[in-house]
Amino acid sequence: AQSVTQLGSHVSVSEGALVLLRCNYSSSVPPYLFWYVQYPNQGLQLLLKYTSAATLVKGINGFEAEFKKSETSFHLTKPSAHMSDAAEYFCAVSDGGGSYIPTFGRGTSLIVHP
Amino acid sequence: DTAVSQTPKYLVTQMGNDKSIKCEQNLGHDTMYWYKQDSKKFLKIMFSYNNKELIINETVPNRFSPKSPDKAHLNLHINSLELGDSAVYFCASSRRGGTRSYEQYFGPGTRLTVT
Repeated sequence: AQSVTQLGSHVSVSEGALVLLRCNYSSSVPPYLFWYVQYPNQGLQLLLKYTSAATLVKGINGFEAEFKKSETSFHLTKPSAHMSDAAEYFCAVSDGGGSYIPTFGRGTSLIVHP
Repeated sequence: DTAVSQTPKYLVTQMGNDKSIKCEQNLGHDTMYWYKQDSKKFLKIMFSYNNKELIINETVPNRFSPKSPDKAHLNLHINSLELGDSAVYFCASSRRGGTRSYEQYFGPGTRLTVT
């Protein structure tokens, strides 16, 4: 069975600081992993994905994530936060172990201070 | 071109009414979904439809019923609306690769308010 844990419902950073959003997964088989971003009053959009190719995945808007099998993690990072990065971020896993339907984490709200 | 569209964007109605939300995708995907997002931003899967296979979240009341006239459309009909149904409903679509699904594309959401 697949599951996702996002540590921290809120993460607060200053503009220009490193962004680190944590995601740990549980999967019985090699997973597909995704990060989505939701800006206020909008739908979710894909930031990046891991589908068993390179373990370091680069996405849009300067974000990247590294798949670490030994740690069952897929943390999202960005070297320098912008005010426009303030949004809700969701990690998701799809492993096909039971159903093809992906499982989403509970989300992390990124707050960026000037 | 809009990839996944939903109508209406806002829906305000009274308890006991019946309403529908429509969803269309022009991405050629074979799988569509309905999610409910509560005030704490938690996303809950309600239904998934892959070709003629419907997967239902067992915790969804049977007042909710999905209808898929074809692969590009998945509508959501809600009977006897209750206050607790107030939420944002998202439609999404994806390709399915064997036992797993690829990335999902989400619609803009429908904010349902039941008074």
